[in-house]
Amino acid sequence: LAKTTQPISMDSYEGQEVNITCSHNNIATNDYITWYQQFPSQGPRFIIQGYKTKVTNEVASLFIPADRKSSTLSLPRVSLSDTAVYYCLASGLGNYQLIWGAGTKLIIKP
Amino acid sequence: DTGVSQDPRHKITKRGQNVTFRCDPISEHNRLYWYRQTLGQGPEFLTYFQNEAQLEKSRLLSDRFSAERPKGSFSTLEIQRTEQGDSAMYLCASSLGTGNSNQPQHFGDGTRLSIL
Repeated sequence: LAKTTQPISMDSYEGQEVNITCSHNNIATNDYITWYQQFPSQGPRFIIQGYKTKVTNEVASLFIPADRKSSTLSLPRVSLSDTAVYYCLASGLGNYQLIWGAGTKLIIKP
Repeated sequence: DTGVSQDPRHKITKRGQNVTFRCDPISEHNRLYWYRQTLGQGPEFLTYFQNEAQLEKSRLLSDRFSAERPKGSFSTLEIQRTEQGDSAMYLCASSLGTGNSNQPQHFGDGTRLSIL
């Protein structure tokens, strides 16, 4: 079983901020949270990674509260091209076998 | 910046035939992973190499599947006596790292296998 739980699907509109929440109640002390994006017929693409508090890069922000039992990927001002499947993973020391869930299918409407 | 490349992009074959896929990782990456993905599902881990050593293999992986990374650079995944259930996208990823799996993985765009 995947170590993380996400909504199966979400939709939003262009220009909106989208927040996708991931639950990881049994996260290990040394696990990091990593988010990937996948378009049809392509491999997943790394978006962002964090351990706790907040991480921001040029495409997204990742919020992880102190208890680390959940995290939220925030996509500011989405466009149609952000329509994709988003995966949240927890992995850490010695854990080479990443366990992927089914991800969240995000649909952006005009 | 050369990413992970996979060849072929598509493979159609008859049931019972053997197929081999190739993956060329990012040159400085010492880690290489193979995954299988079916429609609507996330990638399923198959096997992992650090340099030329195959360090982990999924217990779910049939003995018809074998992977090699002979010189710690490119890798091949072979499926013998293919079955209908082998139809999937086969993804390769690479990363740089030593003691942990926190380094992000860089994926190729996969080889789509269709078994007739």
